[in-house]
Amino acid sequence: GAVVSQHPSWVICKSGTSVKIECRSLDFQATTMFWYRQFPKQSLMLMATSNEGSKATYEQGVEKDKFLINHASLTLSTLTVTSAHPEDSSFYICSASGLAGVGRTDTQYFGPGTRLTVL
Amino acid sequence: RKEVEQDPGPFNVPEGATVAFNCTYSNSASQSFFWYRQDCRKEPKLLMSVYSSGNEDGRFTAQLNRASQYISLLIRDSKLSDSATYLCVVNILNDMRFGAGTRLTVKP
Repeated sequence: GAVVSQHPSWVICKSGTSVKIECRSLDFQATTMFWYRQFPKQSLMLMATSNEGSKATYEQGVEKDKFLINHASLTLSTLTVTSAHPEDSSFYICSASGLAGVGRTDTQYFGPGTRLTVL
Repeated sequence: RKEVEQDPGPFNVPEGATVAFNCTYSNSASQSFFWYRQDCRKEPKLLMSVYSSGNEDGRFTAQLNRASQYISLLIRDSKLSDSATYLCVVNILNDMRFGAGTRLTVKP
């Protein structure tokens, strides 16, 4: 149980284009989803926290107009990197924590990540 | 002071060794604690939750000391497959905060 998927697993795009990444909880309902970014050999950096049906809460320094997050249902959250630039190239990982009945409600289950390369 | 601090390592140990990682947290209101492992270029995977009484899962033992605000992870009889980065995670008022990770390499 507690499986989280991400799509796509990797993407290469040209500078200036927008990229959408999907995060799905496959076998549980995720009240909260988290988006992280990780640069090579660095730790996870939380970008934003989203609760179903409400606006995401962004961490300091993360541009909300550049990283659009939508959490329209209890099983799907999307992150759109708008007008991507080479410095946005990174490993983007989502995680989800769920309703009671699947593990602990405060445990985060991670998706496999999306590797974004912007040329 | 960082909310969650870990020794970054790296720890290089031979197969069969016992290795221990420590993690300290600054917020006494922290509610729950976890150890995750992350392999290179992969997502973190939950290794174990840390209970106040301490818990053991095979070769892995986790302990929590609330008074001193630290969590530990002990790996006994280490295997080559234990090579990874170990992340300490603390739930602080429903915000999960990650340590920077401790890198472990187990060598034959």
